[in-house]
Amino acid sequence: NAGVTQTPKFQVLKTGQSMTLQCAQDMNHNSMYWYRQDPGMGLRLIYYSASEGTTDKGEVPNGYNVSRLNKREFSLRLESAAPSQTSVYFCASSGGGKNTEAFFGQGTRLTVV
Amino acid sequence: AQKVTQAQTEISVVEKEDVTLDCVYETRDTTYYLFWYKQPPSGELVFLIRRNSFDEQNEISGRYSWNFQKSTSSFNFTITASQVVDSAVYFCALSEASAGGTSYGKLTFGQGTILTVHP
Repeated sequence: NAGVTQTPKFQVLKTGQSMTLQCAQDMNHNSMYWYRQDPGMGLRLIYYSASEGTTDKGEVPNGYNVSRLNKREFSLRLESAAPSQTSVYFCASSGGGKNTEAFFGQGTRLTVV
Repeated sequence: AQKVTQAQTEISVVEKEDVTLDCVYETRDTTYYLFWYKQPPSGELVFLIRRNSFDEQNEISGRYSWNFQKSTSSFNFTITASQVVDSAVYFCALSEASAGGTSYGKLTFGQGTILTVHP
């Protein structure tokens, strides 16, 4: 049972380069999320998708775009990476049933130099 | 706006000591959910517990216990007889209820508390 799978696990980018972080879940969840984790700041929501076909901004959306490709997949794109986007990125999903928690992927450690 | 505060940045204890991690939250919602997650050194986030705003019963699960008090907007987490394997970063988080009243993955996290348990 894979749960939430993120790729890649590690990535180094040069300033100005672009890349897409991939996320897929196999739990048939309706909602998916992208968070970033920075030291001393906990996790902050970048974008989320409450259901297939919808996306909304979270707390820190600037510099990112997302695509909800289908119910399983939710990608995060950095069009022009900046050193301030150096962080650990987590994808998560949650179901629509009562009292469900968010399940997180393993994280992607991104360094922008 | 929602806010979660974990005032303890780091806690260091010796094995078998009891330790309490504090969490204070702010929200205008009447229906909300509170969570605790554990992040071990390997980096993944492990769900520990969920509480909804209507359920103030304390909960005990093995060596873990949680004290939810709406009157003080607190949701504290106690580990009894700590072990080295408890060493991790612990996050408290808050979510609004979805339109259907269920819990939601759109979380507001606290800053986290780094717990180190020494042998």
